[in-house]
Amino acid sequence: SQQGEEDPQALSIQEGENATMNCSYKTSINNLQWYRQNSGRGLVHLILIRSNEREKHSGRLRVTLDTSKKSSSLLITASRAADTASYFCATDPNTQGGSEKLVFGKGTKLTVNP
Amino acid sequence: DGGITQSPKYLFRKEGQNVTLSCEQNLNHDAMYWYRQDPGQGLRLIYYSQIVNDFQKGDIAEGYSVSREKKESFPLTVTSAQKNPTAFYLCASSHRGGNTEAFFGQGTRLTVV
Repeated sequence: SQQGEEDPQALSIQEGENATMNCSYKTSINNLQWYRQNSGRGLVHLILIRSNEREKHSGRLRVTLDTSKKSSSLLITASRAADTASYFCATDPNTQGGSEKLVFGKGTKLTVNP
Repeated sequence: DGGITQSPKYLFRKEGQNVTLSCEQNLNHDAMYWYRQDPGQGLRLIYYSQIVNDFQKGDIAEGYSVSREKKESFPLTVTSAQKNPTAFYLCASSHRGGNTEAFFGQGTRLTVV
């Protein structure tokens, strides 16, 4: 079962614009992570936000987490053509006994046009 | 140079054949994972292991098998029981204990011919 659901499925913007992607999940979590995947490659970790955090920044990335709404957003500011990739959220479910596994959503495919 | 290595990059399987995908890491991670990705889809968990000689089924374990005899290695066998094995397979590893990022290999693309 897939815990996270990203929205939108695809996003096309112009270079310099901001890109916002959203993730909703179903169960309580220990943390939520965002990953990036270039076409045909492995995933690269971008940022991790813990369940007791509300916002986190890393360079041009800003992640928010609303545990009451079970949702998170990833904002990429001043986008570049090199940001073109698929972005996935992953949750670490807070289950009894601790599953210690990451559950991924289906991803948002971002295209940044030069 | 620390990292996680998957091999081969491309693999072709005949109908009814078992094939094994390799995953090796030198990051001293206890936890290792196998995911399957279909075109335009997210990652689905096949198997995961938190410690040597122990592993658990993920959401789509049927038709797959794994072993974890060494901390560094977590090979995945796609058996003939897996009816639709054509997909992109990703291996990952991480420290245990939660609140830790996962490191991914570059993937193996398996095609049934």
